[in-house]
Amino acid sequence: GAGVSQTPSNKVTEKGKYVELRCDPISGHTALYWYRQSLGQGPEFLIYFQGTGAADDSGLPNDRFFAVRPEGSVSTLKIQRTERGDSAVYLCASSLTHMGAGSNYGYTFGSGTRLTVV
Amino acid sequence: GQNIDQPTEMTATEGAIVQINCTYQTSGFNGLFWYQQHAGEAPTFLSYNVLDGLEEKGRFSSFLSRSKGYSYLLLKELQMKDSASYLCAVPRGGKLIFGQGTELSVKP
Repeated sequence: GAGVSQTPSNKVTEKGKYVELRCDPISGHTALYWYRQSLGQGPEFLIYFQGTGAADDSGLPNDRFFAVRPEGSVSTLKIQRTERGDSAVYLCASSLTHMGAGSNYGYTFGSGTRLTVV
Repeated sequence: GQNIDQPTEMTATEGAIVQINCTYQTSGFNGLFWYQQHAGEAPTFLSYNVLDGLEEKGRFSSFLSRSKGYSYLLLKELQMKDSASYLCAVPRGGKLIFGQGTELSVKP
């Protein structure tokens, strides 16, 4: 597609429920990134994929968070047993390749999913 | 995060010039990005610096000093629409690491 698409744009869920957030990157972009952004803060890294594999999942806060990208395109971020502290905007971004040495390929971000856990 | 520091907020007047600073840890430097983020929207790319000096792009310019671990974003002829958060970011380990962002308010 022309841009990075994230669905849903807003999600309200009850504490303890399971949620899935979807990201559809720019066609041909091999790298896909998930970030979480709280109010007044910069985006906080969660996980990134190079193709189908998770190249770095060091930012996932705990084992309730999981992400997949089975065909190297669309990715789903899954959160189990949601907690109120999970409320944030979840941003997805894609780039032609990963942020390697000397890379000038900036990210293209999606508009995010605003998750509210009540 | 990871020693990327920016002021939390700044205020400036329409038509004026404002400089937003960013300092970062110099080890393993691979360039520095600036992004603009309006409230409720996605961050959008502004600039990328990998060499020392000033790069100008219209009303916005970005400066880098690698030896000092310092960058700034310069916004000239400020407009009300420039009110936004400005994010400094560096690539580390294959991904971008962001500062907390500087919230800029432009007043009439």
